[in-house]
Amino acid sequence: DVVMTQSPLSLPVTLGQPASISCRSSQGLIYIDGNTYLIWFQQRPGQSPRRLFYKVSNRDSGVPDRFSAYGSGSDFTLKISRVEAEDVGVYYCMQGTHWPPTFGQGTRLEIK
Amino acid sequence: QVQLVQSGAEVRKPGASVKVSCKASGYTFRDFGISWVRQAPGQGLEWMGWISAYNGHTNYAQTLQDRVTLTTDTSTSTAYMELRSLRSDDTAFYYCARDRMTVLVGSHFDYWGQGTLITVSS
Repeated sequence: DVVMTQSPLSLPVTLGQPASISCRSSQGLIYIDGNTYLIWFQQRPGQSPRRLFYKVSNRDSGVPDRFSAYGSGSDFTLKISRVEAEDVGVYYCMQGTHWPPTFGQGTRLEIK
Repeated sequence: QVQLVQSGAEVRKPGASVKVSCKASGYTFRDFGISWVRQAPGQGLEWMGWISAYNGHTNYAQTLQDRVTLTTDTSTSTAYMELRSLRSDDTAFYYCARDRMTVLVGSHFDYWGQGTLITVSS
């Protein structure tokens, strides 16, 4: 299975400051169709996961533009330009290229 | 709008079985598949399996393939996940998520159900 490794696992951030989460895969994630199926999710406390980005950097509808995502090959990043209180939760990366789909361990973002 | 509505919480004894439903609306059910993901209390996300609503093809996590069965009912746009021989470490929230129609494309996971808590306790 492809191992997805996130860092850091805990991310205390001051309101209004930037935050960055790294996600590395044990194999490259380019699929036979040429796309890279790397997805980012946000899970707020007590809620289901919500998709933020798909195919590395495509922002889902309703996701604030203070969120951005990029990367290639096996190295990916989620950035928040200015953290707000509603961003508290756990962030997961997931690869959907290889079977089985696999998730990172999750990064818990909290307000310092 | 796309919605996935799951059945309610269940409590089972060890060794029993449970079947969770996931009713889809707001899109053409057969144009996608459904993946099931579980999350033990305070833990991360674990993919369990996938079923195509188009042709019924399935793919299961190796650790669960002997105990889990995924099915769909296209007449009611509902997906089902049955887990057998339940153990205490199966206690978790179980989620359905809209996913790929075939193995020829990558994963979607664009819409999720609200989750169903399954508690396994004697």
